[in-house]
Amino acid sequence: AQKVTQAQTEISVVEKEDVTLDCVYETRDTTYYLFWYKQPPSGELVFLIRRNSFDEQNEISGRYSWNFQKSTSSFNFTITASQVVDSAVYFCALSEAEELQGGSEKLVFGKGTKLTVNP
Amino acid sequence: NAGVTQTPKFRVLKTGQSMTLLCAQDMNHEYMYWYRQDPGMGLRLIHYSVGEGTTAKGEVPDGYNVSRLKKQNFLLGLESAAPSQTSVYFCASRKEIMGLGNEQFFGPGTRLTVL
Repeated sequence: AQKVTQAQTEISVVEKEDVTLDCVYETRDTTYYLFWYKQPPSGELVFLIRRNSFDEQNEISGRYSWNFQKSTSSFNFTITASQVVDSAVYFCALSEAEELQGGSEKLVFGKGTKLTVNP
Repeated sequence: NAGVTQTPKFRVLKTGQSMTLLCAQDMNHEYMYWYRQDPGMGLRLIHYSVGEGTTAKGEVPDGYNVSRLKKQNFLLGLESAAPSQTSVYFCASRKEIMGLGNEQFFGPGTRLTVL
């Protein structure tokens, strides 16, 4: 069965610090997708990134970067030079190919990491 | 484009009352989902639909029913609300292109309290 673990429940940093949010996943499938979503205090869920299991290239988008390592089943998210606006709950999620083939593409979410960036 | 909308935004029920949450999307997405979010639990899938007229159970379906009579709408019903159903409910939709791991688009959520 698929599982996503975000071991860090809460992280607090001071503005301009770099911070890494950990995500470890479990799956028996060789084809799967990983996602990160952001939930700011306003409550909506914002899609950040999607990565498929065949693409282990790291990705950078502005201050955000993602490190995907299949060898350790991890998909970590780093925010460089954090800002107060980065304060949110961040969720990592997994979708397996079996689900993709069935068309339902159900997402399994981690429990989230609450990031607080203090001025 | 309104995206995914949910009605109502807030609701307070008494134990045993019934209600329906409405989710609407204007992106012509085939797949729709209902999740609940509880503190420290992340999001858990209640029910989902892969197309008009079809529904299926997710991880935590007990106490809920759903219907997808129109492609753009996905309704979540609580027949007899219980305090354990106090939660924030999110609806999501996804493009129909299979095998590409398309992201789900989420509605703003409905905060439900059952007294």
